[in-house]
Amino acid sequence: AQSVTQPDIHITVSEGASLELRCNYSYGATPYLFWYVQSPGQGLQLLLKYFSGDTLVQGIKGFEAEFKRSQSSFNLRKPSVHWSDAAEYFCAVRGFQKLVFGTGTRLLVSP
Amino acid sequence: TAGITQAPTSQILAAGRSMTLRCTQDMRHNAMYWYRQDLGLGLRLIHYSNTAGTTGKGEVPDGYSVSRANTDDFPLTLASAVPSQTSVYFCASSSGLDNEQFFGPGTRLTVL
Repeated sequence: AQSVTQPDIHITVSEGASLELRCNYSYGATPYLFWYVQSPGQGLQLLLKYFSGDTLVQGIKGFEAEFKRSQSSFNLRKPSVHWSDAAEYFCAVRGFQKLVFGTGTRLLVSP
Repeated sequence: TAGITQAPTSQILAAGRSMTLRCTQDMRHNAMYWYRQDLGLGLRLIHYSNTAGTTGKGEVPDGYSVSRANTDDFPLTLASAVPSQTSVYFCASSSGLDNEQFFGPGTRLTVL
C-alpha cells in the first residue's frame, strides 16, 4: 500500500534562512507526488506536484521540490524563508483513487 | 469563482444526534472527497466519489455516509454522532484522479 512519511513534526527556521522539509514515500510504480500548505484555520493549497520529467519541480511562493527515486524522497525546499511561510506542510502521493497524505510538518519561523 | 464551499463553518453537536456537512463546488470537477484532519494523524480519507452517482469508501468510512446526486454537491452525513468524530472535516474536488485536489475551508465539528 502507498504511504508517506514526514519524519519532522515541527521545524523552526530563522527568517531568511533556507528550508528543507523531508518526505519519503512508498509506492510500487512511478509516483505522483504533491506538496500542500495549510495556513492556520484554512484549507490546503497546492504548492507543487511531480508526475514525470524533470525531477526538480518549481512551485508557487518560491518553493521547489526534488524527486529522488533512489531515496524514495520528495523533499521540499526554499532558499529564504519569510515569516508568512509559517504553516503546516503536507506531502502526498497518489494512491488508488485517492491521495495518501503524510502526517504533516509544522513550520515555525523565528525573527 | 467560489471554488469549494463548506457549511457550516463550525458546529457543536450532542452525541447521538445526526448531522449533514455540506460541500458544493462550482468547478464542474468529476471527483470529490471528504477527509477528516486530526492532530498527529494528518488527513484521512472518509469517502470519495469519482463521478455523479458513484461513491466509494476511504480509510475511515465507519459512521459516515455520502451521496452524489449531481456533479456539484457531495454531502457527508453522520447518522448518530460519537465524540470520536470530533474533528475538522475537509471537502475536496479534482478534475481527475491524477490532478491536484482543491480543498474547501473546512468544518470544525465538536461532538459532546
